[in-house]
Amino acid sequence: EAGVTQFPSHSVIEKGQTVTLRCDPISGHDNLYWYRRVMGKEIKFLLHFVKESKQDESGMPNNRFLAERTGGTYSTLKVQPAELEDSGVYFCASSLRGQRAEAFFGQGTRLTVV
Amino acid sequence: AQKITQTQPGMFVQEKEAVTLDCTYDTSDPSYGLFWYKQPSSGEMIFLIYQGSYDQQNATEGRYSLNFQKARKSANLVISASQLGDSAMYFCAMREHINDYKLSFGAGTTVTVRA
Repeated sequence: EAGVTQFPSHSVIEKGQTVTLRCDPISGHDNLYWYRRVMGKEIKFLLHFVKESKQDESGMPNNRFLAERTGGTYSTLKVQPAELEDSGVYFCASSLRGQRAEAFFGQGTRLTVV
Repeated sequence: AQKITQTQPGMFVQEKEAVTLDCTYDTSDPSYGLFWYKQPSSGEMIFLIYQGSYDQQNATEGRYSLNFQKARKSANLVISASQLGDSAMYFCAMREHINDYKLSFGAGTTVTVRA
């Protein structure tokens, strides 16, 4: 069974450009999460989808970030325009519903804004 | 307010010894779950162990055990017989029913196992 996959694994872009990160969750997982880890700091929650609905987007830094989850399958996270402080590793995770459900993580996308 | 607190930024442990990683949490929800994840230098997040708020016994998974003290709101991870491959960053996380199961993480603890 395929795990959570994220594309690209690395991205280097210039300030002001647009970048779109993609996450393919494990098939059948209703929950999909996006997290960001800035170098040396904690893992910050960005948002949470249940199927195609945004359940909680309280962690989105500002309106330069836009997340979608088409048809409750894969999800994209677009940053437009990118700023230097957006650099970090973006993780996607998916899980079944329920308190005990383990969240499975993708390998992350390392975003560097220069 | 910080939901998960990990007060140890870094720890050293001798190979074959045990190490305890601290985690305290804050919630008013009676229904919650606690998780520990490991992140080695390669970057992937690896699930280690789970403890539910209603579980009567402390969780164990191989060399990992969880010292769950509900009244103190602590869920410390114990790694027994440390191995060099245990060197990694360890994250404590919590999922609350009231927050529709959003998974919140602590700042992490870096463990370095010495030969």
